[in-house]
Amino acid sequence: DGGITQSPKYLFRKEGQNVTLSCEQNLNHDAMYWYRQDPGQGLRLIYYSQIVNDFQKGDIAEGYSVSREKKESFPLTVTSAQKNPTAFYLCASSVQGLSYNEQFFGPGTRLTVL
Amino acid sequence: AQKVTQAQTEISVVEKEDVTLDCVYETRDTTYYLFWYKQPPSGELVFLIRRNSFDEQNEISGRYSWNFQKSTSSFNFTITASQVVDSAVYFCALSEASDTGNQFYFGTGTSLTVIP
Repeated sequence: DGGITQSPKYLFRKEGQNVTLSCEQNLNHDAMYWYRQDPGQGLRLIYYSQIVNDFQKGDIAEGYSVSREKKESFPLTVTSAQKNPTAFYLCASSVQGLSYNEQFFGPGTRLTVL
Repeated sequence: AQKVTQAQTEISVVEKEDVTLDCVYETRDTTYYLFWYKQPPSGELVFLIRRNSFDEQNEISGRYSWNFQKSTSSFNFTITASQVVDSAVYFCALSEASDTGNQFYFGTGTSLTVIP
């Protein structure tokens, strides 16, 4: 089955630690995205990538980093510089990074900082 | 300023009632795209519909219908004869053609609860 997988589903981190969230897609999509969802705030874009080895900052990139070494993978690292990392993180992909392309979403990772 | 506004934070209806979810957007682009997504309790967003700015025809898909009105910058979503399985958070989103990054601007979502 084609789709987007995110792991783990739940993640707990101690304050001051970096943590990496996995996102893999087998849809052969060029573009991939990371969003953060907080209660009552909708989804906010962290980073996006329209092609391998290239990525751009979204609205709330501070404290996060990404890489896009393979077309199917777009891992997100939440660094210790992110002041309030507890949130629900959603990965998405689209055929191309064009404005009319719908984005397909993974099941999400819920990160809790202890 | 918020590009997409979903003023209804939470709505509760009794099963079989009709319900309309409001979405108001703001853009200066003449070419743009509007989307609706459903987020069930499992968390994964499910794509429902895309509408481009040049197509103001209303669309119906089973119990779902969408009313796009450029004059009021609205793209409202109606569920007819609601069912318990419709309980979810619904998001409206805007994508502008001038944006090279295909950034989606999401509203804050409307949480719909259908009571059996």
